[in-house]
Amino acid sequence: EAQVTQNPRYLITVTGKKLTVTCSQNMNHEYMSWYRQDPGLGLRQIYYSMNVEVTDKGDVPEGYKVSRKEKRNFPLILESPSPNQTSLYFCASSLSSGGPPPSTDTQYFGPGTRLTVL
Amino acid sequence: DQQVKQNSPSLSVQEGRISILNCDYTNSMFDYFLWYKKYPAEGPTFLISISSIKDKNEDGRFTVFLNKSAKHLSLHIVPSQPGDSAVYFCAASAVGNQFYFGTGTSLTVIP
Repeated sequence: EAQVTQNPRYLITVTGKKLTVTCSQNMNHEYMSWYRQDPGLGLRQIYYSMNVEVTDKGDVPEGYKVSRKEKRNFPLILESPSPNQTSLYFCASSLSSGGPPPSTDTQYFGPGTRLTVL
Repeated sequence: DQQVKQNSPSLSVQEGRISILNCDYTNSMFDYFLWYKKYPAEGPTFLISISSIKDKNEDGRFTVFLNKSAKHLSLHIVPSQPGDSAVYFCAASAVGNQFYFGTGTSLTVIP
């Protein structure tokens, strides 16, 4: 089954304790991305990757790191989490980076990771 | 600053009637627009998209209209069904690399 998986689904941690949220896709997609969803702010893009070893900052990259060593994996790293990073995080992937026609550019989202930083 | 705005946080519609969800954007460089649907405890799922070279795209009960001069797009659902009850996000991109999402509109279709 084609899917994007994220782990863990739920995480409660404390300020300053490094954590990694994993993201994996089995669709051989080039483009992968991380978003955070907050009330009243919608989904905001944190980082994205056009392909292996190519990553770029999104709208809200501060406090986050990513890496893309393999095509299928795109982990999100919080080196020193803070309470303002408490959020719902989504990983997504798509075949290519976007643009018409839409058939190749649908982003498939993972189920989300709810992170609480105390 | 929010580059994609959905000014209606919620919308209620009777089953069988039309649902119209609106979205405004500020960046004239956006050339690709998408709508995603999200159920609770799930990730967003793609619904429909439109390129800036078009003003309308239709897929079954879903139609997206784009008015570039007004920097406005809308999603029409006809007829609305209870299963359409979800949060709908509008998104936009320029050159297809970075995506900007709106804050979402929660649609409730009343049976």
